Amino acid sequence: KQEVTQIPAALSVPEGENLVLNCSFTDSAIYNLQWFRQDPGKGLTSLLLIQSSQREQTSGRLNASLDKSSGRSTLYIAASQPGDSATYLCAVNRASGSARQLTFGSGTQLTVLP
Amino acid sequence: GAVVSQHPSRVICKSGTSVKIECRSLDFQATTMFWYRQFPKQSLMLMATSNEGSKATYEQGVEKDKFLINHASLTLSTLTVTSAHPEDSSFYICRASGGGGDTQYFGPGTRLTVL
Repeated sequence: KQEVTQIPAALSVPEGENLVLNCSFTDSAIYNLQWFRQDPGKGLTSLLLIQSSQREQTSGRLNASLDKSSGRSTLYIAASQPGDSATYLCAVNRASGSARQLTFGSGTQLTVLP
Repeated sequence: GAVVSQHPSRVICKSGTSVKIECRSLDFQATTMFWYRQFPKQSLMLMATSNEGSKATYEQGVEKDKFLINHASLTLSTLTVTSAHPEDSSFYICRASGGGGDTQYFGPGTRLTVL
């Protein structure tokens, strides 16, 4: 059974810092991995999706890496801003297009202090 | 990108009543809808998967008679929490599939509080 762990559970940083969020998974037989952002009481916003054949994806100040063999992914946020404050979730998809196999981590709650 | 809506966004009800939550895909036909439940500071847990026009498939431990799912059209799925109890209080999120690609399109969620 796939298990996804995110460390740390919570993180508080001053504005402008670069930071790294970690995600690990136990079963390396994945199809893709996705990072989401969730604001309090809201749904999920997709940030980055990395296919199993890729090693990283970038979007603006965000960079996500994937090391499938070691079961790890990181989300790097450059020059953090207060607007980045949210919970960040990673999710691993085991099969193409099948959310039934989508396993979520419990998230990292990020607070960026002005 | 694809848009998925949920209604209501928040609901408070008394114990023993039933609550219906709607999930709509606004600009694509959702052949499959997924319902998740999220307790505070925990992961999203898949409850059930429904394909348009057929019965939903429930995950282990989810009572199908308590959480009724209907997916009668390609743009609408409903989740009815029957005889709600305080332990059913949670954040319910739907996901619609059918727009193509691997990106997951989630609804904004419904906060259910059972008194």
